[in-house]
Amino acid sequence: TQLLEQSPQFLSIQEGENLTVYCNSSSVFSSLQWYRQEPGEGPVLLVTVVTGGEVKKLKRLTFQFGDARKDSSLHITAAQPGDTGLYLCAGGSGYALNFGKGTSLLVTP
Amino acid sequence: DAGVIQSPRHEVTEMGQEVTLRCKPISGHDYLFWYRQTMMRGLELLIYFNNNVPIDDSGMPEDRFSAKMPNASFSTLKIQPSEPRDSAVYFCASTLAGGPREQFFGPGTRLTVL
Repeated sequence: TQLLEQSPQFLSIQEGENLTVYCNSSSVFSSLQWYRQEPGEGPVLLVTVVTGGEVKKLKRLTFQFGDARKDSSLHITAAQPGDTGLYLCAGGSGYALNFGKGTSLLVTP
Repeated sequence: DAGVIQSPRHEVTEMGQEVTLRCKPISGHDYLFWYRQTMMRGLELLIYFNNNVPIDDSGMPEDRFSAKMPNASFSTLKIQPSEPRDSAVYFCASTLAGGPREQFFGPGTRLTVL
């Protein structure tokens, strides 16, 4: 099993602050995905990173895939209350995914 | 377009009872996944199907758990007998082979075993 460790586990910040969350593994992945899960709902895909060193931007969210394709980070600029949720990274071989335990983010006004 | 549909949304049962969770994947998707989510263990893959055939059930915790997919539009996850430690949120997800491997999740079934 390819384990994914996410940090921090919990993060509470005020609106307007910047933050970075991390996803690390000792395994190499052909791709990594980031999902966001809101309370009472299933995870929803934010982005897939495929190439080592790749950087993808989604509005105020910036995703980076490590050069060795073992780790990834998610940076949020000027966080808003609507960014509150559980951020999960996922990777695996074939179509089955292993998920990290996630970073629970709370953004207060 | 309808997303992944799960029923029931909430289930409360007593220890020893049989529980059946249901899932309808997105039409045309040929992979279906069952997950369990708890605070302690996070989101765990239990079993997945391709074209209605179980591919990997190594995540199924015990023989008390079983899953079936009798056709492309329906799957069940059954727990018999249920135990309090089975309390969790169970998610079903589906994806399309040959696509970007994005998994589309249902809203989940929150199971409480008393």
